[in-house]
Amino acid sequence: ETGVTQSPTHLIKTRGQQVTLRCSSQSGHNTVSWYQQALGQGPQFIFQYYREEENGRGNFPPRFSGLQFPNYSSELNVNALELDDSALYLCASSLDREGSYEQYFGPGTRLTVT
Amino acid sequence: QQQVKQSPQSLIVQKGGISIINCAYENTAFDYFPWYQQFPGKGPALLIAIRPDVSEKKEGRFTISFNKSAKQFSLHIMDSQPGDSATYFCAATPWYGQNFVFGPGTRLSVLP
Repeated sequence: ETGVTQSPTHLIKTRGQQVTLRCSSQSGHNTVSWYQQALGQGPQFIFQYYREEENGRGNFPPRFSGLQFPNYSSELNVNALELDDSALYLCASSLDREGSYEQYFGPGTRLTVT
Repeated sequence: QQQVKQSPQSLIVQKGGISIINCAYENTAFDYFPWYQQFPGKGPALLIAIRPDVSEKKEGRFTISFNKSAKQFSLHIMDSQPGDSATYFCAATPWYGQNFVFGPGTRLSVLP
């Protein structure tokens, strides 16, 4: 069983640029959630994807968008980067099944916006 | 109402001692309460979780106590070890399970 993987590990971008982060879910999992974790804070929910559709969204602007692919891998896209977007971006995978809530996190992508 | 409060912000415990971290919530739709452990530069790792139909769950040195009427739950780490030094997050998710709401975290340091 393979765990959740994310790429790249680190990324430095300039304000106004666009970025794409990638996530491969744990084997057997069909749901992917993305979180933003600012330094010294808890993760904040961005959105969740199930069966290639957005299935819930947190309090993030539309310039944060995502995709889920048929193999359940996922992308997070952020347009018009702002300095406050600097954070650790975490992907978590889970299995959408009644009574199953566990989410397993990847190692994250550290994004720095200058 | 979506907020999860967590205390203390930081905790220092001697090796072999008991570490206790507390969380509180308001949203009665929350139905699953996990605890995550995070080391610097790593993603959060699921430690232990509880549903509201039980008041306590124990896995090894880790125990969750849950008080549904008070809307509070806590993590107890028995026989704390220096390797337990990390940041701990409580979280909650509603029965419809779309998103986890995390507490702000507790930085635990276990002294040798």
